[in-house]
Amino acid sequence: GDSVTQMEGPVTLSEEAFLTINCTYTATGYPSLFWYVQYPGEGLQLLLKATKADDKGSNKGFEATYRKETTSFHLEKGSVQVSDSAVYFCALTDPWGATNKLIFGTGTLLAVQP
Amino acid sequence: DAGVIQSPRHEVTEMGQEVTLRCKPISGHNSLFWYRQTMMRGLELLIYFNNNVPIDDSGMPEDRFSAKMPNASFSTLKIQPSEPRDSAVYFCASSLEGGGNIQYFGAGTRLSVL
Repeated sequence: GDSVTQMEGPVTLSEEAFLTINCTYTATGYPSLFWYVQYPGEGLQLLLKATKADDKGSNKGFEATYRKETTSFHLEKGSVQVSDSAVYFCALTDPWGATNKLIFGTGTLLAVQP
Repeated sequence: DAGVIQSPRHEVTEMGQEVTLRCKPISGHNSLFWYRQTMMRGLELLIYFNNNVPIDDSGMPEDRFSAKMPNASFSTLKIQPSEPRDSAVYFCASSLEGGGNIQYFGAGTRLSVL
């Protein structure tokens, strides 16, 4: 079935370091891809999205490119801040659009140290 | 807009008691999702509604769990009787069909069953 695989956490970085969180997916159709972020004590919120191959989603300095050839949607940021500490979830839509469910990965905890 | 509103934010109850969690989706959204989040199992979709009708309840763990959506602006998730293993954070999310599948999450209800 359709699924999302994220790199295991926690990821611990120093402030201003480069961030990559890997996400790969398995889908039979043409899903849209998302990154959601969950700050401590809060619900998930959309960080960025991409709807088709080669699209790049970006927001708050984060970027991810929809790579169909490698079925990947890796999250990157050039210089992380302590305030970026959170859990990051990769997700995809129903590839055929039959439902509007999202399939979430397991989440990756990012801890940024000053 | 006030966003998705969940109540209560925290609930502490004793095993065997009935628990009711409440959710008010964003006005105009026609899909509503209930999730459960635990350290062990991550984020799990319990049930989702489209236009107030339950579409997929395959994630509901057992008959002790039930969900209703009597109108477009209100949903409940009930656990009767509650058990310690039900302790988790429960999230409600809503989305607009045709709105790019973006789900908007509430702040969650942290349930502790003693």
